[in-house]
Amino acid sequence: DIQMTQSPSSLSASVGDRVTITCRASQSISSYLNWYQQKPGKAPKLLIYAASSLQSGVPSRFSGSGSGTDFTLTISSLQPEDFATYYCQQSYSTPPYSFGQGTKLEIK
Amino acid sequence: QVTLRESGPALVKPTQTLTLTCTFSGFSLSTSGMCVSWIRQPPGKALEWLARIDWDDDKYYSTSLKTRLTISKDTSKNQVVLTMTNMDPVDTATYYCARKPSLVGAYDTWGQGTLVTVSS
Repeated sequence: DIQMTQSPSSLSASVGDRVTITCRASQSISSYLNWYQQKPGKAPKLLIYAASSLQSGVPSRFSGSGSGTDFTLTISSLQPEDFATYYCQQSYSTPPYSFGQGTKLEIK
Repeated sequence: QVTLRESGPALVKPTQTLTLTCTFSGFSLSTSGMCVSWIRQPPGKALEWLARIDWDDDKYYSTSLKTRLTISKDTSKNQVVLTMTNMDPVDTATYYCARKPSLVGAYDTWGQGTLVTVSS
């Protein structure tokens, strides 16, 4: 099975900061990488699919990049509503799929 | 509007079988490329992918849980059912169903989740 590793596990930042979260796959997954945002008590919300495509309705301050094994999620200017936990997920070929362990973004 | 809603028991005893139902609207699971999955999240922990069923009835399971899981669909009722046998306290989690509208896409719509506690 493909393993997904996110870093960092937690991150403190301030409103207006630029933030980058990294996700690494244990083997090449081409561009089959998705990013989700989850707030406490809520279901995950899709932000980025296919490594760099912005889901409809998601603010343009969110962006994704990468291919192969290394991927990044960038928030260009943090807003108060962005403090949440972020997960990467691979959807390469046939399942089983897998998620990263999550990155908790907290207010500094 | 696409919606999914999970339903099932909130409490199960160890060794029992859990049956969860995902009832959806706004799309058809007979549409080519459409998939529905189950994903769970233990309290305070990460998301864990469990199973997927496709429009053509192909089924896929978590490697570590495949002996305990069965996924099925009733297209006429717009439902996907997950059964998990031999429940254990470590299976305590919020269980989500989610839609994947193409074979190469992401989960674009999720249910609200249902918390299942395993305890005697």
